[in-house]
Amino acid sequence: QLQLQESGPGLVKPSETLSLTCTVSGGSISTSDYYWGWIRQPPGKGLEFIGKIYYSGSTYYNPSLKSRLTISVDTSRNQFSLRLSSVTAADTAVYYCARQVRTGTSKYYFDYWGQGTLVTVSS
Amino acid sequence: QTVVTQEPSFSVSPGGTVTLTCGLSSGSVSTSYYPSWYQQTPGQAPRTLIYNTNTRSSGVPDRFSGSILGNKAALTITGAQANDESDYYCVVYMDWGISLFGGGTKLTVL
Repeated sequence: QLQLQESGPGLVKPSETLSLTCTVSGGSISTSDYYWGWIRQPPGKGLEFIGKIYYSGSTYYNPSLKSRLTISVDTSRNQFSLRLSSVTAADTAVYYCARQVRTGTSKYYFDYWGQGTLVTVSS
Repeated sequence: QTVVTQEPSFSVSPGGTVTLTCGLSSGSVSTSYYPSWYQQTPGQAPRTLIYNTNTRSSGVPDRFSGSILGNKAALTITGAQANDESDYYCVVYMDWGISLFGGGTKLTVL
């Protein structure tokens, strides 16, 4: 059974960089069938797509976050990571990692999700 | 900037039928957008319900169905149960590689 687990600091100061890692277990991240994505949810609000990465390193970013965002992949560790710079209180959210299907007739949906991790931006 | 629209809230009686919709601020949702639907209860990660417009994810009861109605994607719950009370999100895939989430619909069963 595939599992995704987010990890990283739960508290980040304003103007600093938020860094999270998603560890994939029960399957390889180096597969042509999937993208690996980040989604966030501010407290009491809806879900927002942040970006995604293919195992080769190709990335797709939400245009509203692109200038501050870096998503990377480490296939040797079966992990992918998120870095969001110059954070403000508006970046406080539960951050989820998820797998997105990219091949076949049924695609572009998120089929596995991590449990999510709350990141608070505060001094 | 394209926005995905959903009803903010909806109410259904136990045993009743409800249809939630998912539209685009500019244009129509078609199967080419690969619409998918997710259910989320407080404190939990989203659960995949429907993908590719109308395919139920593994383990999802057949009272949940997806379709295109007019110019929107739709999620219909037939025979609503108390445990269907959740937030429901639709997602559409844009051809530049981005997935857009709707604002979510809070469904109340009472």
